[in-house]
Amino acid sequence: AQKVTQAQTEISVVEKEDVTLDCVYETRDTTYYLFWYKQPPSGELVFLIRRNSFDEQNEISGRYSWNFQKSTSSFNFTITASQVVDSAVYFCALSEAFGAGTASKLTFGTGTRLQVTL
Amino acid sequence: ETGVTQTPRHLVMGMTNKKSLKCEQHLGHNAMYWYKQSAKKPLELMFVYSLEERVENNSVPSRFSPECPNSSHLFLHLHTLQPEDSALYLCASSLTGNDNSPLHFGNGTRLTVT
Repeated sequence: AQKVTQAQTEISVVEKEDVTLDCVYETRDTTYYLFWYKQPPSGELVFLIRRNSFDEQNEISGRYSWNFQKSTSSFNFTITASQVVDSAVYFCALSEAFGAGTASKLTFGTGTRLQVTL
Repeated sequence: ETGVTQTPRHLVMGMTNKKSLKCEQHLGHNAMYWYKQSAKKPLELMFVYSLEERVENNSVPSRFSPECPNSSHLFLHLHTLQPEDSALYLCASSLTGNDNSPLHFGNGTRLTVT
């Protein structure tokens, strides 16, 4: 069975600090996908990144960066120079690979609530 | 109009009521999903429709009944719910395929059962 663990329930930082959100996953599949979503107070989950299990390159997108370490089954997310607008709940998710014509099934972690204050 | 739209945003219902949640996507996707989000629990996948056919039913009680009349619309019919069914219900859509396209979510319906 697949499992995603986000051990940090809540994190509070002051604006401009860097913050890392941890994600550890379990799967028996050799091919799988990892995701991060952001859920602001409005409720909608916003897709941030997708990474497949064969691509261990770290990725940077503006102030966001992701560190995929297959050896430790981790997919951590770092926000550099955090801003108040980054305040949200962040979810890590895992999906096994499906064939053409099939739908994705994501297993989510419990989320990490990030509070950025002035 | 773009994205995934859910109505209503908030719903309060008694245990004997019958109501329906509606979801509409304008992204040209062909898979749709219902998730339940309760406090301090991971999002729970309830139902998956792929190409308008139900492909997943995660042991959801029969008081929840989904309907997918076409690839753009998804409903969740509710009847004789329990207070523990109070939660945020999220609809999502995606493209089927072998590259696990990301799910796009709506804003959710906040359901309170009294």
